[in-house]
Amino acid sequence: AQSVSQHNHHVILSEAASLELGCNYSYGGTVNLFWYVQYPGQHLQLLLKYFSGDPLVKGIKGFEAEFIKSKFSFNLRKPSVQWSDTAEYFCAVTAPNTGRRALTFGSGTRLQVQP
Amino acid sequence: AAGVIQSPRHLIKEKRETATLKCYPIPRHDTVYWYQQGPGQDPQFLISFYEKMQSDKGSIPDRFSAQQFSDYHSELNMSSLELGDSALYFCASSKSEGSSGDYNEQFFGPGTRLTVL
Repeated sequence: AQSVSQHNHHVILSEAASLELGCNYSYGGTVNLFWYVQYPGQHLQLLLKYFSGDPLVKGIKGFEAEFIKSKFSFNLRKPSVQWSDTAEYFCAVTAPNTGRRALTFGSGTRLQVQP
Repeated sequence: AAGVIQSPRHLIKEKRETATLKCYPIPRHDTVYWYQQGPGQDPQFLISFYEKMQSDKGSIPDRFSAQQFSDYHSELNMSSLELGDSALYFCASSKSEGSSGDYNEQFFGPGTRLTVL
């Protein structure tokens, strides 16, 4: 079964700082990868996704992520964070060839952006 | 645009009571997923339905059951509630395009916060 690790549990940044959140997965087969954001008191929203093709994917709100197959990683980046990016960020994976479409989530990273 | 609707938004129950959570997917979505998110934890997959049939099963306790109805809404029934069942329960829906491995984006509802006292 696949699993996801997010190594940064709590990140505090000042506005305009650059962001990189780590995500590693463990599964040797084909994967689909996602980043979800959960703003305080709100539901999960999809930031970006990777299925195939260009390993650098761009999502909403200026976020991007790079899939590095050799490192089993899918790190999330943003060049300049804003106070409104304060939220919890979840990396998730599915293994489509297993037939399971449910998401396996990482433990989440709480991002706090200080004005 | 219509989103996933969950009801109730908040629910307080005593131990050993039962609870029913409802999920109304986005119109024309045929697949529903249930996830449980404990305090400070990541969402854990419970169960999913496609075209009213159970399509996959995750870490759902035997005390819980679920079904999808003809109008595609789904209900999660929880019996003999325990303190550890206190969590946020998310429903997500997607539009499947058959048995291919291609992913169809899951749209999440606002969740039902269940508190068991």
